[in-house]
Amino acid sequence: KQEVTQIPAALSVPEGENLVLNCSFTDSAIYNLQWFRQDPGKGLTSLLLIQSSQREQTSGRLNASLDKSSGRSTLYIAASQPGDSATYLCAVSHGSRLTFGEGTQLTVNP
Amino acid sequence: DAGITQSPRHKVTETGTPVTLRCHQTENHRYMYWYRQDPGHGLRLIHYSYGVKDTDKGEVSDGYSVSRSKTEDFLLTLESATSSQTSVYFCATAGLDGYEQYFGPGTRLTVT
Repeated sequence: KQEVTQIPAALSVPEGENLVLNCSFTDSAIYNLQWFRQDPGKGLTSLLLIQSSQREQTSGRLNASLDKSSGRSTLYIAASQPGDSATYLCAVSHGSRLTFGEGTQLTVNP
Repeated sequence: DAGITQSPRHKVTETGTPVTLRCHQTENHRYMYWYRQDPGHGLRLIHYSYGVKDTDKGEVSDGYSVSRSKTEDFLLTLESATSSQTSVYFCATAGLDGYEQYFGPGTRLTVT
């Protein structure tokens, strides 16, 4: 059974700092990996999707990497802003089904 | 944004009553999913659909049933609600473009 772990569970940083969120998974036979953002009381917003054949994806200040062989992914956020405060969720897929980690709650302080 | 709406957005019901949650999408995505989100458990898959009238169970399907009679609608039914089904329920959809999933705004269900 696939298990997804996100460390740390919570992170507080000052505005402007570059930061890295970690995601690890136990079964490397994944189809893709997806990073989401969730604001309090809201649904999930897809940030980045990395196919299993890819090593990284970038969108604006976000960069996600994937190392299937070691079962790890990182989400890099450059020049963090208070508006980045949210919970970030990692999910891995086997075909059309996703398995989620429990998320990292990020607070960016002005 | 895959144009996903969920109804109702909030519901309070009593133990033992039937409840149906609706998910509607406008993107003609083939796949639709129902998840529940609970503190300490994260997001867990209840049921999913890979086409009209084609559904399958997820990891926490006991006490839930689903139906999909049209591409755009996916219904989740709690036949007899229990307090353990108090949760936030999310619908999601995915197309065939790498199976990227898109989520609806959620339904907060309280069973008293």
